[in-house]
Amino acid sequence: DTGVSQDPRHKITKRGQNVTFRCDPISEHNRLYWYRQTLGQGPEFLTYFQNEAQLEKSRLLSDRFSAERPKGSFSTLEIQRTEQGDSAMYLCASSRNIASGFYNEQFFGPGTRLTVL
Amino acid sequence: GQQLNQSPQSMFIQEGEDVSMNCTSSSIFNTWLWYKQEPGEGPVLLIALYKAGELTSNGRLTAQFGITRKDSFLNISASIPSDVGIYFCAGQRNAGNNRKLIWGLGTSLAVNP
Repeated sequence: DTGVSQDPRHKITKRGQNVTFRCDPISEHNRLYWYRQTLGQGPEFLTYFQNEAQLEKSRLLSDRFSAERPKGSFSTLEIQRTEQGDSAMYLCASSRNIASGFYNEQFFGPGTRLTVL
Repeated sequence: GQQLNQSPQSMFIQEGEDVSMNCTSSSIFNTWLWYKQEPGEGPVLLIALYKAGELTSNGRLTAQFGITRKDSFLNISASIPSDVGIYFCAGQRNAGNNRKLIWGLGTSLAVNP
């Protein structure tokens, strides 16, 4: 049973560069979430997908951020023209979509640690 | 963004002691989740609660969904060194289509062997 995987685990980049992260959810999960976490904080919601449709984006997701899930399986999160303030852990989570609201537990990947120099 | 009030912020205990932490909110949640996060890793789900008053155990961990739907607690009995980490509560509303989680700031647990 494979869990959520993320790649890369660590990324160091220079300010102004573009970076792209990948998330592979648990195979039978049709919901996929991106969160950002900084030191001493809980994860902050960025965006989520149901299958290939991006249904909500947080105000935290500036125009430099874009996320895709083209075939409803893996997802990518791209940050353009990175800034030092983008340094954080980027977490991906997936869940099933059960209308009753039960069994909506979100399972997280190990995260991608981004450092912008 | 919105956050839950989680306390205590940190705990330093002796191995074998019991631990209790809680989360409160000014609004109602339909689901409470408790996660543990270790350095450099993503949060790992420990317990999920779906009904007001529900008491659920997972090994040495016990969590309860408050009757008012505005709070939850997590207890760890007979702590061991591998319990070290940051414990987060997260609340979830089923209103609308989003299932995003609202998070506490975490309780950092240190266990002295």
